Amino acid sequence: DTGVSQDPRHKITKRGQNVTFRCDPISEHNRLYWYRQTLGQGPEFLTYFQNEAQLEKSRLLSDRFSAERPKGSFSTLEIQRTEQGDSAMYLCASSTTGQGSTDTQYFGPGTRLTVL
Amino acid sequence: AQSVTQLGSHVSVSEGALVLLRCNYSSSVPPYLFWYVQYPNQGLQLLLKYTSAATLVKGINGFEAEFKKSETSFHLTKPSAHMSDAAEYFCAVSDTPTDKLIFGTGTRLQVFP
Repeated sequence: DTGVSQDPRHKITKRGQNVTFRCDPISEHNRLYWYRQTLGQGPEFLTYFQNEAQLEKSRLLSDRFSAERPKGSFSTLEIQRTEQGDSAMYLCASSTTGQGSTDTQYFGPGTRLTVL
Repeated sequence: AQSVTQLGSHVSVSEGALVLLRCNYSSSVPPYLFWYVQYPNQGLQLLLKYTSAATLVKGINGFEAEFKKSETSFHLTKPSAHMSDAAEYFCAVSDTPTDKLIFGTGTRLQVFP
């Protein structure tokens, strides 16, 4: 169990540029979640996957945001035409469901995005 | 809709004093409740969770929380604060243990020597 990993840890970009973040969940975790945390706030749910299927998307996830989990393992979150309001910490978490589940979401260290 | 309210954005205690962080929830279904801790520039670590078993839940680092349905509360306590407890604490609620988490706004705990 190597934990949830996220790459990059920090990203600075200029307004209007596209950025992509990667999340590698704990091995064999079938659920993967993305959250966004702005300064002084709690994390807010963005979307989650069960295997490769995207099961739910928050209304916070505008059409500039897209998330994929093509093979049911790692996931990517892309933001197109970034805006200053996108500056935040993007957190990924993973969990298992069904038999053997620990009923826990395990979080990665996050990717801090700064849009100039 | 589910929601969580954390009373007090900042709590300060002396080392060795009781820690009490408050969390009230709103849920139309039996809730699953969680406390997470976040250290600076790090992700969230689970402290403890309530998943409809015992109402008094013990977690890591000496923390515990009691689920009180009549008060819709899930307050976090620790009998004796340690300097290493200084961090941000988040209460969260969900419909099922592996469903999306709805977080409160957090409480920053400061511990003074």
